[in-house]
Amino acid sequence: DAGVTQSPTHLIKTRGQQVTLRCSPKSGHDTVSWYQQALGQGPQFIFQYYEEEERQRGNFPDRFSGHQFPNYSSELNVNALLLGDSALYLCASSLKGTGYEQYFGPGTRLTVT
Amino acid sequence: AQSVTQPDIHITVSEGASLELRCNYSYGATPYLFWYVQSPGQGLQLLLKYFSGDTLVQGIKGFEAEFKRSQSSFNLRKPSVHWSDAAEYFCAVGGRSNDYKLSFGAGTTVTVRA
Repeated sequence: DAGVTQSPTHLIKTRGQQVTLRCSPKSGHDTVSWYQQALGQGPQFIFQYYEEEERQRGNFPDRFSGHQFPNYSSELNVNALLLGDSALYLCASSLKGTGYEQYFGPGTRLTVT
Repeated sequence: AQSVTQPDIHITVSEGASLELRCNYSYGATPYLFWYVQSPGQGLQLLLKYFSGDTLVQGIKGFEAEFKRSQSSFNLRKPSVHWSDAAEYFCAVGGRSNDYKLSFGAGTTVTVRA
């Protein structure tokens, strides 16, 4: 049973560029959430996708956008990258109706130079 | 707004000794509560969760946590730590109804000495 997978593992980008991160949920899960974890901090909620729509959003600017595909996989897009966007980006999947029990992937480490 | 406080940034414990990690939450109603563990360079692994019912919950790897509504706390315990328990531990609170996000504390780093 495959868990949550994310790609790529590491990424280095330059300020002002755009980046796309990808996530495949755990088998049987239909909901995907994205979190940003800065160094030394706890994860911060970016948004959650269910039925291909953004269901809830945290306090992140519009530069952060996402998408969910019919197979439940998801992408996180960040435009006009800033140095402060350097972080570990975590994807979590869950099944609607199970009390928000979320399973996390290994993350994508984004470095903005 | 929901929030989580983990008062201890770093805890050092001897192998075989007991461990307790503190977590205090703020939420308007009874929340969903979680403990996750993160090893260096890894994602988060769910240790245990509390939704309702028995306030003492058992998790994986020999961990347990107790929900105390009067103290707004959800402390994590392990009777005897192993060297492999060295990691960062996060407490999280989740909403009910239409509030789906998890709010995490800043984490507690656990070091295990031989």
